[in-house]
Amino acid sequence: AQSVTQPDIHITVSEGASLELRCNYSYGATPYLFWYVQSPGQGLQLLLKYFSGDTLVQGIKGFEAEFKRSQSSFNLRKPSVHWSDAAEYFCAVNSGGSNYKLTFGKGTLLTVNP
Amino acid sequence: DVKVTQSSRYLVKRTGEKVFLECVQDMDHENMFWYRQDPGLGLRLIYFSYDVKMKEKGDIPEGYSVSREKKERFSLILESASTNQTSMYLCASSTYYEQYFGPGTRLTVT
Repeated sequence: AQSVTQPDIHITVSEGASLELRCNYSYGATPYLFWYVQSPGQGLQLLLKYFSGDTLVQGIKGFEAEFKRSQSSFNLRKPSVHWSDAAEYFCAVNSGGSNYKLTFGKGTLLTVNP
Repeated sequence: DVKVTQSSRYLVKRTGEKVFLECVQDMDHENMFWYRQDPGLGLRLIYFSYDVKMKEKGDIPEGYSVSREKKERFSLILESASTNQTSMYLCASSTYYEQYFGPGTRLTVT
């Protein structure tokens, strides 16, 4: 069965510092991968997605992610974090089969210190 | 822009009440989903629907049912609410894998 692991439950960074959030997946075929962000009390917003092609994908709000098949990883990065990036981040992979379900990781909560 | 709306942002119900959570999307998406979100557990799929009147159980369907009579509307029903159903409920829609989420309903059952 497909699974997504986000090893870090909570990360704290200083404003202006670089950020990397880790995501490892388990999927038998070529995965479709997503990163979503959830601000407090809100729904999830898509940051970026990978279906095929260039393994470095750019998203909104200055985020990027790199797909590494050999490591089964899809880590999210941002070179300089802003206080408004404080939120919870979820990685997801397609669940396989003929439907369009996603399997989500348990999330990483990002705190940004001034 | 895709818009997914949920009928309530906050809801307080009593144990044993029948609860309806409504979700509407405006992009003619075939697929709609209901998740519950709890701290430390992430998003867990309750039910999803891939067409009108079609539904499939997700990972945690017990205690819930759903209804999809029109393509744009997907309802989650708690037949007899219990305190362990206190949670954040998120609706999403998609036409492919990319899901669009509503703002969520925070349900408290007392």
